[in-house]
Amino acid sequence: EPEVTQTPSHQVTQMGQEVILRCVPISNHLYFYWYRQILGQKVEFLVSFYNNEISEKSEIFDDQFSVERPDGSNFTLKIRSTKLEDSAMYFCASDPGAETNYGYTFGSGTRLTVV
Amino acid sequence: RKEVEQDPGPFNVPEGATVAFNCTYSNSASQSFFWYRQDCRKEPKLLMSVYSSGNEDGRFTAQLNRASQYISLLIRDSKLSDSATYLCAVTDSNYQLIWGAGTKLIIKP
Repeated sequence: EPEVTQTPSHQVTQMGQEVILRCVPISNHLYFYWYRQILGQKVEFLVSFYNNEISEKSEIFDDQFSVERPDGSNFTLKIRSTKLEDSAMYFCASDPGAETNYGYTFGSGTRLTVV
Repeated sequence: RKEVEQDPGPFNVPEGATVAFNCTYSNSASQSFFWYRQDCRKEPKLLMSVYSSGNEDGRFTAQLNRASQYISLLIRDSKLSDSATYLCAVTDSNYQLIWGAGTKLIIKP
């Protein structure tokens, strides 16, 4: 079964440092997403990406965040100048296309700990 | 009012029992509806899409009530391995998933 792959599984970083979280979506999927989940809280939408550009972003996705798909396979989330409150699980997801009822496929997540 | 609401639980249920989850949503324009299962510190995994006519997959039955804006999930003959958090998700007009906070289910032997 096709999978969404995320690396690393766990990242510890010092406050103020930059981190890059990596994702390899399912190859024939067209839409890509980043979500985060602070421990014990609900899953929160960060950003969606289609046709090599951001299609929608939440208010959480401020100027410290950026995404790109540099080589047609990897989909990265960069967090500049991390803050303590950025500590969370970050999930990448992909979707074959809009207006489907297939649901998203999630990667296993990256646990980001900012110290 | 929250966009997608679920009873947080936990539901403590004996093995073999039937358990039902409900989820209400506020956006009448929502188009797609899903139940996900999330194990502790793991990613959400799609359990079922929910169709207007209702759908069944083994011990799991999902139903949608558009008039009342809720979806339900029924688990029959519950197993210990069903213990998890069950997340309801609906799409908004941009087909973005809006999540409920999840209902924790604990199946007891």
